[in-house]
Amino acid sequence: ETGVTQSPTHLIKTRGQQVTLRCSSQSGHNTVSWYQQALGQGPQFIFQYYREEENGRGNFPPRFSGLQFPNYSSELNVNALELDDSALYLCASSLAGSRETQYFGPGTRLLVL
Amino acid sequence: RKEVEQDPGPFNVPEGATVAFNCTYSNSASQSFFWYRQDCRKEPKLLMSVYSSGNEDGRFTAQLNRASQYISLLIRDSKLSDSATYLCVVSYNNAGNMLTFGGGTRLMVKP
Repeated sequence: ETGVTQSPTHLIKTRGQQVTLRCSSQSGHNTVSWYQQALGQGPQFIFQYYREEENGRGNFPPRFSGLQFPNYSSELNVNALELDDSALYLCASSLAGSRETQYFGPGTRLLVL
Repeated sequence: RKEVEQDPGPFNVPEGATVAFNCTYSNSASQSFFWYRQDCRKEPKLLMSVYSSGNEDGRFTAQLNRASQYISLLIRDSKLSDSATYLCVVSYNNAGNMLTFGGGTRLMVKP
């Protein structure tokens, strides 16, 4: 196992609601990246957090936002949920400045009805 | 056009077969290249990084052709446990941790 944990494992929401997903990075890792993986597709980069600030962002609307805390854990918030937000949300942690592999957590499976 | 393109498969092969997957990427500024493996309903796991000189890890060989923007993965002597989805991945940032994934190629190894 990688040491990256995510919660909750599964979640069901309805359109228009808001959701918060959580990620604890591997010990010693200070950078957290979030990805969305729709069924049958590869993961898509949402954004990355380093030193509690957004460090890069993919092609996702502003209703996808995040936070990173001093202990390097992170949250992904999605407002005004849409049906197409149903996906597996993955976080990955890494150490800035290192070419060491980043490790993925097990993901949170979100279903929007 | 997707930034990283792969044949989705599935590739159905018998145990012991050799199978090759290919992938193309569109951004010539890509700096790092990887193959990840993803089992059903699990997270992706790094299989191997890919270097211009080519690299091998046991039964797995990866090749990168920067001029053609083409990445390959060869699996020799396929095992039942190799059944999974193989994701071709590139990164544009120096740290190699902002990843762009292909859609994946599904491999099924049959007895």
